[in-house]
Amino acid sequence: GENVEQHPSTLSVQEGDSAVIKCTYSDSASNYFPWYKQELGKGPQLIIDIRSNVGEKKDQRIAVTLNKTAKHFSLHITETQPEDSAVYFCAARITGNQFYFGTGTSLTVIP
Amino acid sequence: DGGITQSPKYLFRKEGQNVTLSCEQNLNHDAMYWYRQDPGQGLRLIYYSQIVNDFQKGDIAEGYSVSREKKESFPLTVTSAQKNPTAFYLCASSSTGYWGYTFGSGTRLTVV
Repeated sequence: GENVEQHPSTLSVQEGDSAVIKCTYSDSASNYFPWYKQELGKGPQLIIDIRSNVGEKKDQRIAVTLNKTAKHFSLHITETQPEDSAVYFCAARITGNQFYFGTGTSLTVIP
Repeated sequence: DGGITQSPKYLFRKEGQNVTLSCEQNLNHDAMYWYRQDPGQGLRLIYYSQIVNDFQKGDIAEGYSVSREKKESFPLTVTSAQKNPTAFYLCASSSTGYWGYTFGSGTRLTVV
């Protein structure tokens, strides 16, 4: 089955700096890669996604890049703000609408 | 507003008891899912259902049961056979043609 590895598990940055979270996947058939943000005690919320036919996607301060050859994708957050502090999960979609999730990255933005 | 509602937010279970977690959505989504979340681990799929009256086991279905009698509802029962049920449970839904999930706010189950 698919295996998604996510690094780092924790990340602290100063406000205004950039944060990068990386994920690798094993199944070359994976074709959709969403990123979710989960605040304490809440369910994950989709923040950005990318399909396998695209190399990069940007939405304001958030961007995702995909390298299909190397089977890895990354989340980039620029100009970080304290409200960006949360746990971020990557995921890879295989067949149907099933996903495998990474183990999460706890991001802390220090004011 | 459309959304997915999980209840209760917190649930306490005595050992040997069955408990049922509720998940309701008004998004008209066809598919619904149950995930378990433990600290330091990714979300693990328990059960999923693509249509009413049909569901499939996920990676960690042992000790759990579900039903899908209505499109809007997908309750999860944690049975006494589940030896380590303390966790955060997340319900999600998705629609045909849309690849992402909408998650509920979760239920935290604790065995006392």
